[in-house]
Amino acid sequence: QLAESGGDLVQPGGSLRLSCAASGFTFTDYWMTWVRQAPGRRLEWVASINVEGNAQFYGDSVKGRFSISRDNAKKSLTLQMTSLRVEDTAVYYCARDVETGGQGTLVTVSS
Amino acid sequence: QAGLTQSPSVSKDLRQTATLTCTGSSTNVGHQGAVWLQQHQGHPPKLLSDRNNNRPSGISERFIAARSENTASLTIIGLQPDDEADYYCSAWDSSLHGWVFGEGTKLTVL
Repeated sequence: QLAESGGDLVQPGGSLRLSCAASGFTFTDYWMTWVRQAPGRRLEWVASINVEGNAQFYGDSVKGRFSISRDNAKKSLTLQMTSLRVEDTAVYYCARDVETGGQGTLVTVSS
Repeated sequence: QAGLTQSPSVSKDLRQTATLTCTGSSTNVGHQGAVWLQQHQGHPPKLLSDRNNNRPSGISERFIAARSENTASLTIIGLQPDDEADYYCSAWDSSLHGWVFGEGTKLTVL
C-alpha cells in the first residue's frame, strides 16, 4: 500500500512538500515514481528515483522546480515542489514503478 | 515528452470482446514493454498488467495483455458493466529516461 499526504491549496510561486508512506512490500526492490493527473486530463509522469536514491529523473514540465527523494529506512518517498504554477494543479499519486496504490493527494495552485 | 498512441474511445456490447491498442516506439513499448492501468471515474488508477504482461494478484483472467514490436494490446473478454472505465498504457522510455503515458481509451460497455 501507498499513502500520500501533504496536498494543499497554495498560491502561484509557492512551495509544497508531498510525502508517501509505503507498506506491504519490499521498498528497496522498486524504483519509485510520482504521477499526477490534472482534472479531466490524462496521467502524467512527474519524477522517478532509483532504488539507492542516487539517481533522479524528471518530466520536462517540472524539471528544475521539483525534487524527488526517498528514505529507505523509513520506507518513504518525498516530492519537494517549488515555484508552483497554476498548471501544477492535480492529484498526485505515489507509485512503485508506475503502479499506484493510494488515493492520491490533491494539490491546488491558485491565487 | 511525446506520449503513446491510444484510440480515444471504444464501444462494445455486453459479453463481447474488446481489444485496446497502444503504439509507441523502439525506445519505450518495443524496448521494455508496456503496463496497463484501469481507472474508473473518480477513483485512482489500478494496475491490470505489468511490463511482462503478467496480471497482479486479484486481476481477472478476462484481461489479457500482449505486445508485438512497438504495439501493446489489452484484450478484455466477456465485457461486464464494471469494465466501463478509462484504460491507460504506459512504458519506460530509455531515451527520455522517464515514463510515457497514452492519452487513455474510454471504454463504453453497451
